Amino acid sequence: GQQVMQIPQYQHVQEGEDFTTYCNSSTTLSNIQWYKQRPGGHPVFLIQLVKSGEVKKQKRLTFQFGEAKKNSSLHITATQTTDVGTYFCAGRKGTSYGKLTFGQGTILTVHP
Amino acid sequence: DTAVSQTPKYLVTQMGNDKSIKCEQNLGHDTMYWYKQDSKKFLKIMFSYNNKELIINETVPNRFSPKSPDKAHLNLHINSLELGDSAVYFCASSYHGGDSNQPQHFGDGTRLSIL
Repeated sequence: GQQVMQIPQYQHVQEGEDFTTYCNSSTTLSNIQWYKQRPGGHPVFLIQLVKSGEVKKQKRLTFQFGEAKKNSSLHITATQTTDVGTYFCAGRKGTSYGKLTFGQGTILTVHP
Repeated sequence: DTAVSQTPKYLVTQMGNDKSIKCEQNLGHDTMYWYKQDSKKFLKIMFSYNNKELIINETVPNRFSPKSPDKAHLNLHINSLELGDSAVYFCASSYHGGDSNQPQHFGDGTRLSIL
């Protein structure tokens, strides 16, 4: 079945450092979504990427979708303590009706 | 005016009991989901309903039975609870589940602990 691998599992950074999490799928995806889950909270949708090679930015966050639509990354510039949480990628194949396969998540800790 | 609401928020019970979790969404979405998140934060889809019809049924023990009385509600009943069922269960909803361009909205989760 479809697998979505996400690395690293944990990342500890000092406030102000950059952070990147990577997502790889065993199969070509129709789109990929990114979610953030704060400690004790629920996943919250951040963004969706659909096109091959797509790059989207949200303030300090940059999202990329690979040319082959099998990998994606989320980069945060100059992390802040408010960035703490678990970041998930979630991929969808074209034929899977509404089904998202989530990566294992990257738990980000930011030290002030 | 919570968008996706789950009850209860916490559920502590003994092994072997039967329990239910309820979920309601007021977003007008036509698709609802149940996810299980284990202690390592791994988020796994269990079931999905579109307009009261079961469309996703992952490899889940048949002790778990979802029920959707209407498209705004999706409940989860669990029989004969086991220690391994301890987890956070998230309900989510989205619009037009067949359309890839719709984000999923999650409830606050139900933290189930089996003693």
